Amino acid sequence: AQSVTQPDIHITVSEGASLELRCNYSYGATPYLFWYVQSPGQGLQLLLKYFSGDTLVQGIKGFEAEFKRSQSSFNLRKPSVHWSDAAEYFCAVGSPSGGYNKLIFGAGTRLAVHP
Amino acid sequence: DSGVTQTPKHLITATGQRVTLRCSPRSGDLSVYWYQQSLDQGLQFLIQYYNGEERAKGNILERFSAQQFPDLHSELNLSSLELGDSALYFCASRDSGNSPLHFGNGTRLTVT
Repeated sequence: AQSVTQPDIHITVSEGASLELRCNYSYGATPYLFWYVQSPGQGLQLLLKYFSGDTLVQGIKGFEAEFKRSQSSFNLRKPSVHWSDAAEYFCAVGSPSGGYNKLIFGAGTRLAVHP
Repeated sequence: DSGVTQTPKHLITATGQRVTLRCSPRSGDLSVYWYQQSLDQGLQFLIQYYNGEERAKGNILERFSAQQFPDLHSELNLSSLELGDSALYFCASRDSGNSPLHFGNGTRLTVT
């Protein structure tokens, strides 16, 4: 079955510290992979996406993610976290053939940033 | 600002009632998607429309229905509401190809 697992429900980091949010997926085909961020009271904003090619993907707000096929992972990273990064982060997986109606979201990781 | 507009932002209603949620997609986007976000189920795909026609159904209850109008705005109709229908309902739109989904800010529905 297709699924996305975000093992960490809550993560707390200090401002300026590095961040890594984990995402593991189970998908039969070559997946499309996404990271979205949701600030309180807001919709989901796309941070970055992976379709093919270079497995290290750069996104907005200084985020990057690395696709590792052997580990079925697509972890999100940021070298130095800002207080404004506090939000909920969602990993999602889809299929080129299935289209976006087959976009499966993880349960999310809530990030808190300490000053 | 994603360009996707959802109204109303908040809706409080009683069990058994019927409500309509509205979504205006980004200019030029032909596809509209509806998602439900709840604490226990997470983000679940409900239904997709493309240029007025239903394209795909996800975990949408029979009490729920949607439509997309000629001006491309969409409405999600929820009827015979139950307490468990309380959730955030998101609309998203995209144009074509590999373009990503753009989400609205959602409608928070509370059923009392």
